[in-house]
Amino acid sequence: AQSVAQPEDQVNVAEGNPLTVKCTYSVSGNPYLFWYVQYPNRGLQFLLKYITGDNLVKGSYGFEAEFNKSQTSFHLKKPSALVSDSALYFCAVRPFNDYKLSFGAGTTVTVRA
Amino acid sequence: EPEVTQTPSHQVTQMGQEVILRCVPISNHLYFYWYRQILGQKVEFLVSFYNNEISEKSEIFDDQFSVERPDGSNFTLKIRSTKLEDSAMYFCASSPIELAGGPTDTQYFGPGTRLTVL
Repeated sequence: AQSVAQPEDQVNVAEGNPLTVKCTYSVSGNPYLFWYVQYPNRGLQFLLKYITGDNLVKGSYGFEAEFNKSQTSFHLKKPSALVSDSALYFCAVRPFNDYKLSFGAGTTVTVRA
Repeated sequence: EPEVTQTPSHQVTQMGQEVILRCVPISNHLYFYWYRQILGQKVEFLVSFYNNEISEKSEIFDDQFSVERPDGSNFTLKIRSTKLEDSAMYFCASSPIELAGGPTDTQYFGPGTRLTVL
């Protein structure tokens, strides 16, 4: 069975500083990895994914994530955070041969001005 | 940009009552999903649906739950006799189809319906 861990419930950063949201996963076989963001009263919005290829993937709103197979991690990063990045971030994984996503518990990001 | 929509945004019901949660997937998508998130817990997969039948379901999705695509645009989740523990946020998602036949990698989610069972 697959699982995802997001070790931090909350991440607080100042605007303009780098932002990192951590994610580690466990899955049989090759993983398909995703990041979603949820703003208040909105659905889960897709940010980016890793399927295969380059370990560094770029997504929406200037976010990127690095796949590290040896550490089974897929950390989300943004070089310079904005106040508008304040939201709830979810990491998700599925095996290559299964379509159901397994989600982490979510990390609340607060970017202060 | 096309979006998945869900109605109602909030549903309050009495224990034992039937509820139907509605979703309109993105128009050219053919794979549909329901997930739920109990307050303070992780988002959990309930069921996936393709070609008018369930393709996969979790152990949560017991006989009290059913899904249907009653017309060309709606996708519904019915809970026959609600229990207190069914209180959760329910998310609908959809995926387009690959040329090879399976769903594409990315699932697009709606805003959710918050179900409160009293």
